Amino acid sequence: NAGVIQTPRHKVTGKGQEATLWCEPISGHSAVFWYRQTIVQGLEFLTYFRNQAPIDDSGMPKERFSAQMPNQSHSTLKIQSTQPQDSAVYLCASSLGLGGNEQYFGPGTRLTVL
Amino acid sequence: QQKVQQSPESLIVPEGGMASLNCTFSDRNSQYFWWYRQHSGEGPKALMSIFSNGDKKEGRFTAHLNKASLYVSLHIKDSQPSDSALYFCAVVDSNYQLIWGSGTKLIIKP
Repeated sequence: NAGVIQTPRHKVTGKGQEATLWCEPISGHSAVFWYRQTIVQGLEFLTYFRNQAPIDDSGMPKERFSAQMPNQSHSTLKIQSTQPQDSAVYLCASSLGLGGNEQYFGPGTRLTVL
Repeated sequence: QQKVQQSPESLIVPEGGMASLNCTFSDRNSQYFWWYRQHSGEGPKALMSIFSNGDKKEGRFTAHLNKASLYVSLHIKDSQPSDSALYFCAVVDSNYQLIWGSGTKLIIKP
């Protein structure tokens, strides 16, 4: 079991470019979560999927951010027209279910917007 | 809406000492609580969960829960340099989602 896989580990984009981040959850896990982590804001929930269906995107900035889970083996987080304030570590986690189930995190993708 | 607050923001403990991390929450109906640890360059990793009032011990780690006082804590005995990390408290809310605290940075000084 390789754990949650995130690619790329580091991404540098220019202001206004698009960034797509990939996550492969642990096989058999039904819930997939996306978080953003910065020094200033800490760990922020963005969105989550259950059985590939989007359930809660209350943490997603309404413009420019979108997430998809086209199949049970991967999810993507897309940021259009990236801005310097989007620079952060983006973390993906998966779990067998919600709440009482442990969330297993990937190593994160460090996004730097110049 | 559930609020989860951790203290202190940072903590320095000598090697072999006891580290105590605190967490308060606002929803009296909260039932399930997690402690996660994040080493630099990695994602957070679960340390332990607790859902009953009292103490739960796992090796050098002891979690304490007092639901009436809206309080959960983590104590690390015989702290090691490898315990240096960012520690998060997370509370399961009524929608079965995790609400995260802002973290405590623990530094173990050799």
